[in-house]
Amino acid sequence: GAVVSQHPSWVICKSGTSVKIECRSLDFQATTMFWYRQFPKQSLMLMATSNEGSKATYEQGVEKDKFLINHASLTLSTLTVTSAHPEDSSFYICSASGSGANVLTFGAGSRLTVL
Amino acid sequence: GQQVMQIPQYQHVQEGEDFTTYCNSSTTLSNIQWYKQRPGGHPVFLIQLVKSGEVKKQKRLTFQFGEAKKNSSLHITATQTTDVGTYFCASLTASKLTFGTGTRLQVTL
Repeated sequence: GAVVSQHPSWVICKSGTSVKIECRSLDFQATTMFWYRQFPKQSLMLMATSNEGSKATYEQGVEKDKFLINHASLTLSTLTVTSAHPEDSSFYICSASGSGANVLTFGAGSRLTVL
Repeated sequence: GQQVMQIPQYQHVQEGEDFTTYCNSSTTLSNIQWYKQRPGGHPVFLIQLVKSGEVKKQKRLTFQFGEAKKNSSLHITATQTTDVGTYFCASLTASKLTFGTGTRLQVTL
């Protein structure tokens, strides 16, 4: 079945630094990738939708200059948390769908801790 | 915007007891999907329902989509410790998947 690889699985960084998270579709071409954020014991909140070769669409309240999303190819999307602060500490999960598919495959998630 | 609420937020059962989580939307849904997230893990797709009144079964799990397509339920018969996790309903609208608030299930022996 479809597999989405997300890296790194966890990262600890100092406040003010930037962190890049990669999301790769391993055995299918992901025309659309989604980035979610999940705080402890809460639901997944959609941050942005990225389509290959175009600018990401951000949800209301999500700062596009802080959460940079790049979807340069059909198998790779990246999320960069710029100038991270402790309140950005969260579980970030990507998901992807192939052309015409309406079921998402999720990556394993990346747990970010900002000190 | 669309809101999808789930109840209960949390349920603790003894192994062998049944469990049900309910998903309610403020708007009519074109479809409903269910996911399971184990502690520390990522959501795993369980099933999708599309038709009004649809009922689907997967072993001990029974999924229902309401007649008005505004609510859905997931029922687990005779829970096992492997059922532990958070169950989310989600709806796909305009290519975006919106998750419900989730129900966390704890099962003890």
